[in-house]
Amino acid sequence: QQQVKQSPQSLIVQKGGIPIINCAYENTAFDYFPWYQQFPGKGPALLIAIRPDVSEKKEGRFTISFNKSAKQFSLHIMDSQPGDSATYFCAAQILGRLYFGRGTQLTVWP
Amino acid sequence: DTGVSQDPRHKITKRGQNVTFRCDPISEHNRLYWYRQTLGQGPEFLTYFQNEAQLEKSRLLSDRFSAERPKGSFSTLEIQRTEQGDSAMYLCASSLEGSHNEQFFGPGTRLTVL
Repeated sequence: QQQVKQSPQSLIVQKGGIPIINCAYENTAFDYFPWYQQFPGKGPALLIAIRPDVSEKKEGRFTISFNKSAKQFSLHIMDSQPGDSATYFCAAQILGRLYFGRGTQLTVWP
Repeated sequence: DTGVSQDPRHKITKRGQNVTFRCDPISEHNRLYWYRQTLGQGPEFLTYFQNEAQLEKSRLLSDRFSAERPKGSFSTLEIQRTEQGDSAMYLCASSLEGSHNEQFFGPGTRLTVL
């Protein structure tokens, strides 16, 4: 059973667009929600993270929106660039263990 | 480089052989995690250590898998009698307990079982 459901599976935007990736979870015991960026052949890199008592967090061009009642969270990438083309994973943590979504392959066209 | 390092980066082996991977965490991190990632999927948790104690193991970690962290620093993951289904990227991550448990990943070891 997938603990964290992520959509869409793939996303194509033009440079400057605002891709949005969505995730949903069921277990209300999750206490930390990070997003990771992964390039081919590399390990995931921590991008931004949020705790469930916060509704929004912004770091540079990346914003997480968190809706605790709906058990959903999303990643917005402002002013997307071709260098943002990568696979993005949402995750949820409980007792130190991360549960990942299946990933979204983002392509940003110049 | 002060990040998480893993060795080897790539390993090709024949079915039935044993393989061992090594992970060196960020030096001050006391927690160390192993994950497995197959193509087109997110990483799946295998096991984690706090210092030298192995605190949790996933049901994915069959009897053929064993992990150690003997001195609370580096860790090894051994797979005995490899099967083709073991082909995956094996990722190691580390974190500092109490720092929101932010996990930082290494580059991974790509295992191919022929």
